Amino acid sequence: AQKVTQAQTEISVVEKEDVTLDCVYETRDTTYYLFWYKQPPSGELVFLIRRNSFDEQNEISGRYSWNFQKSTSSFNFTITASQVVDSAVYFCALSEYNFNKFYFGSGTKLNVKP
Amino acid sequence: NAGVTQTPKFQVLKTGQSMTLQCAQDMNHEYMSWYRQDPGMGLRLIHYSVGAGITDQGEVPNGYNVSRSTTEDFPLRLLSAAPSQTSVYFCASSYGAYNEQFFGPGTRLTVL
Repeated sequence: AQKVTQAQTEISVVEKEDVTLDCVYETRDTTYYLFWYKQPPSGELVFLIRRNSFDEQNEISGRYSWNFQKSTSSFNFTITASQVVDSAVYFCALSEYNFNKFYFGSGTKLNVKP
Repeated sequence: NAGVTQTPKFQVLKTGQSMTLQCAQDMNHEYMSWYRQDPGMGLRLIHYSVGAGITDQGEVPNGYNVSRSTTEDFPLRLLSAAPSQTSVYFCASSYGAYNEQFFGPGTRLTVL
């Protein structure tokens, strides 16, 4: 079974639209960490956020916000007023405290059109 | 600091050839890992290491070997390349498995 599911394979929006990228995870560990990474067309992986399982507060960083809900095992990512530079593949990832492994979702490709 | 470096950036192999992908980090991180990225599959963990002399298998270890003789270096060996190993390979390092992973620029490998 997939540990991290990103059901949206590709999303296209027009600049200035808001967009939410979904992430659902699966774990039996009570302590775990969730991450989002961005992979622009140039190919490098850029860290966006890390959240631990005990901190359910939503986080906002500029145009980016994250909604963590343990009840639904989701860690969704919203970009407000999207820009062309946001075009990239976005990965959600999970790390469980009692194991030394990092699991990535399959990624969501975001296309922001001018 | 150079961060995480990987060599080579591109490589073409013939089926059955062997090679080593190099990875080095200068951040004194204990945790290092190798991933492969295939279209529609995200990144999948091949092998990881929690410190010098300690390695373990990830999700897709078959056909790959690793060793960790120093904190800085974590090479990935392909013993007998197969077309199914055509992929982009990323090396990463961090203080621990549940910390931010710092990624290298990747190696694009094609096996003919």
